Amino acid sequence: DIHMTQSPSSLSASVGDRVTITCRASQSISTSLNWYQQKPGKAPKLLIYAASSLQSGVPSRFSGSGSGTDFTLTISSLQPEDFATYYCQQGFNTPRTFGQGTPVEIK
Amino acid sequence: QVQLVQSGAEVKKPGASVKVSCKASGYTFSNNGITWVRQAPGQGLEWMGWISTYNGATVYAQTLQGRVTMTTDTSTSTAYMELRSLRSDDTAVYYCARDSTSSPWPYDYWGQGALVTVSS
Repeated sequence: DIHMTQSPSSLSASVGDRVTITCRASQSISTSLNWYQQKPGKAPKLLIYAASSLQSGVPSRFSGSGSGTDFTLTISSLQPEDFATYYCQQGFNTPRTFGQGTPVEIK
Repeated sequence: QVQLVQSGAEVKKPGASVKVSCKASGYTFSNNGITWVRQAPGQGLEWMGWISTYNGATVYAQTLQGRVTMTTDTSTSTAYMELRSLRSDDTAVYYCARDSTSSPWPYDYWGQGALVTVSS
């Protein structure tokens, strides 16, 4: 199985901050990487697919990059509605494993 | 609009079985696979498996092999996930999600989740 590791394990930030979350795969997955946002009590929401493609309707302050084993999710200017937990997930093979999640909290 | 509507919360005793449904609408059901993901209280997301809505092919997580069965009813555009021999650590919210049609098959729509509580 491909193991996905996110860092940091948690993050405190202020509105307006630039935030970066990293995801590392245990083997190369090309650009088969998706990012999701989850708010408490809600289903996850797709933000980024194929490492860098923005899902329709997602604000442009979200961006993704990377290939191979190392990927990043960047929020260019954190907004109050962005406080949530973020998960990466590999779509390279099954089982389609998720990272452990990175909660983004208000500083 | 695309919607996935799941069945309600369940409380089960250890050793019992549970079957969660996921009714799709707003798109052609057989065009997109369905994936099941669960989330234990306060924990992360766990991929459980996938079913092709076209031909019923399945792939299950190794950790659930032998206890989980995923099926579909194309006449009602509904997917089902049955988990048997329930244990306390199966307590979780169970989500169905629609696979996008292009690599890397992200999950572009999700059900609202169904809480399954396993307790004696």
